[in-house]
Amino acid sequence: KAGVTQTPRYLIKTRGQQVTLSCSPISGHRSVSWYQQTPGQGLQFLFEYFSETQRNKGNFPGRFSGRQFSNSRSEMNVSTLELGDSALYLCASSSTGPYNEQFFGPGTRLTVL
Amino acid sequence: QQQVKQSPQSLIVQKGGISIINCAYENTAFDYFPWYQQFPGKGPALLIAIRPDVSEKKEGRFTISFNKSAKQFSLHIMDSQPGDSATYFCAARTGTYKYIFGTGTRLKVLA
Repeated sequence: KAGVTQTPRYLIKTRGQQVTLSCSPISGHRSVSWYQQTPGQGLQFLFEYFSETQRNKGNFPGRFSGRQFSNSRSEMNVSTLELGDSALYLCASSSTGPYNEQFFGPGTRLTVL
Repeated sequence: QQQVKQSPQSLIVQKGGISIINCAYENTAFDYFPWYQQFPGKGPALLIAIRPDVSEKKEGRFTISFNKSAKQFSLHIMDSQPGDSATYFCAARTGTYKYIFGTGTRLKVLA
């Protein structure tokens, strides 16, 4: 089974721009979560989508948004980029059921200049 | 109450030694406790996980010890190897499938 894939792997943007990141979950997984990872803050939960609905949300400003498509692929959008948005953005997918193990993709490294 | 506190921040162990990383939580509603291993430039990889109704789980050289009354759990890496040098994260899952992560432990195993 192919793992979680994320595109692009690296991205450089300037302040004020917007960016869209993409995540393809493991086949059969319907839950997709997004995390921001920075050296100072560790892994911070952004949001989780299940069957095209946002099921959980972290404490990030409204500039961070996401969506999930009917094939479970997910996109994350950040508008009006700030320098502090520079981070590794990780996507994780989970199967349904009691174990719900979460598997991460390689991440998208976003640098905001 | 949603936090997971992880210690130590960094750890240096000799090859063949035991690496121990600890995590503590307060929310008794957490129902699943995984550990992840992350190498530089890679996403975290699920290493081992435990449910609160089990006190210990072992997979190869990796063991989770879980103390429900103390609200603590720990990862033990036996016979630590240089290839184990990575950052380790503990996590806890809420009943609504939201994961809270510890701040990470950078492990270095000396050859």
